[in-house]
Parts: sequence; C-alpha cells; structure tokens
Amino acid sequence: KNQVEQSPQSLIILEGKNCTLQCNYTVSPFSNLRWYKQDTGRGPVSLTIMTFSENTKSNGRYTATLDADTKQSSLHITASQLSDSASYICVVSAQAGTALIFGKGTTLSVSS
Amino acid sequence: EPEVTQTPSHQVTQMGQEVILRCVPISNHLYFYWYRQILGQKVEFLVSFYNNEISEKSEIFDDQFSVERPDGSNFTLKIRSTKLEDSAMYFCASTLASGLVGTQYFGPGTRLLVL
Repeated sequence: KNQVEQSPQSLIILEGKNCTLQCNYTVSPFSNLRWYKQDTGRGPVSLTIMTFSENTKSNGRYTATLDADTKQSSLHITASQLSDSASYICVVSAQAGTALIFGKGTTLSVSS
Repeated sequence: EPEVTQTPSHQVTQMGQEVILRCVPISNHLYFYWYRQILGQKVEFLVSFYNNEISEKSEIFDDQFSVERPDGSNFTLKIRSTKLEDSAMYFCASTLASGLVGTQYFGPGTRLLVL
C-alpha cells in the first residue's frame, strides 16, 4: 500500500535555530516528492519538488533532500523564524497516476 | 501573483442536502483537482480533471460526488446528499503542466460542516 510517513509528529524550536523534518515513503513506482507548507486553516503551499534523479533542492531557507534508494527525504529549515510555524507536509506522486499521496505532516512551532 | 480562489469560505448544511463548492483555478492552468482534509487528518485526493473530463478519482469520490467545469473559469464540486462524515475542509488545486511534475497551487479551502 502506498504510504507516506513523517516524523516527528510535532516539533518546538526557538527562533533562529535549525531543524530537520523526516519523510519515509513506500510509494511505488515513484515519480516525484514534494514538500508543502500549510498554515492553519489555509491551503498547502509548495516549497520544493524533486524527481528521483535529484538529491537536493533549495528554496531560500528550506533545503530538501531525497534518497530514492532508501525512500527517504528530509526538509531542513535554517535560521527559523516565527512565520515558519506551520504544518510541513511530505507528498509523493506515483508514476501511474496524477494523485498525490500526502503524509500527515509535522507541526512546527517556532517560539521567541 | 495569480492564485486559486474558492467560495464560499465556510458552509453549514443539513445532512441530506446538496452542496456545491466553487473554485476559480489560475487562468492558464489545464489540470484541476479537489482534495479534502478532515479535521486533524491528512489531506486526501478526491479527483483530478483535465480536458473536460475526470482523469482520476479516489475511492472517496463515489456517486454522491460530481465535478464540472461549467464555463472557462469555474470548477465545481457537488455533493448530492451530504453525510455527517463529509464535514471537512475541501481544497481545490490547479496546475499548468502534467500532474506528475507540475506544481499544484492550492486554494484557501472551503470548510464544510454537515449537521
């Protein structure tokens, strides 16, 4: 069964600190992996998209990595800001169709 | 910057009633999607739509659901006879490129509450 698992479920960090969020997936065949940021009560906003041939992709203070062999991805946030407080969702697309498979997300809280 | 819009932002309805959720995708996008998110749970795919027909749908998207693109701008999701378990946030998304690679832009969502 195609699944996306994320850890930790929630995380609290101090403003200015770095953090890394993890994603493991069992989706097969694999097309691409995306990280989305979702503020409470809002729609997800795309941060990065990576295909199987890409190992890393950055978007400002967000850096995503992908290991297609171990089926793992991470999202690293540097110099966190209060506005980074949100849910970060790992989303995988299988080659067979267009449906996106969502993880449950990691809830990040950045405090001052 | 172009964005996906959805109306209404909130809707309360009685069980058994029909509801229509409306979306205006980004104007030059070709692929359209509906997702739902039950409170506290993950986002779930409902249906994708391309070239005026459904290209893929999930098990959730049963006969009670239908989608339509009635004109060049709107994309609607209809639930014919709502059930309590249909209470959720419904997101519309659109993308320019093929859904396999293209970035999907999400709307702000419609929060549906079925009583």
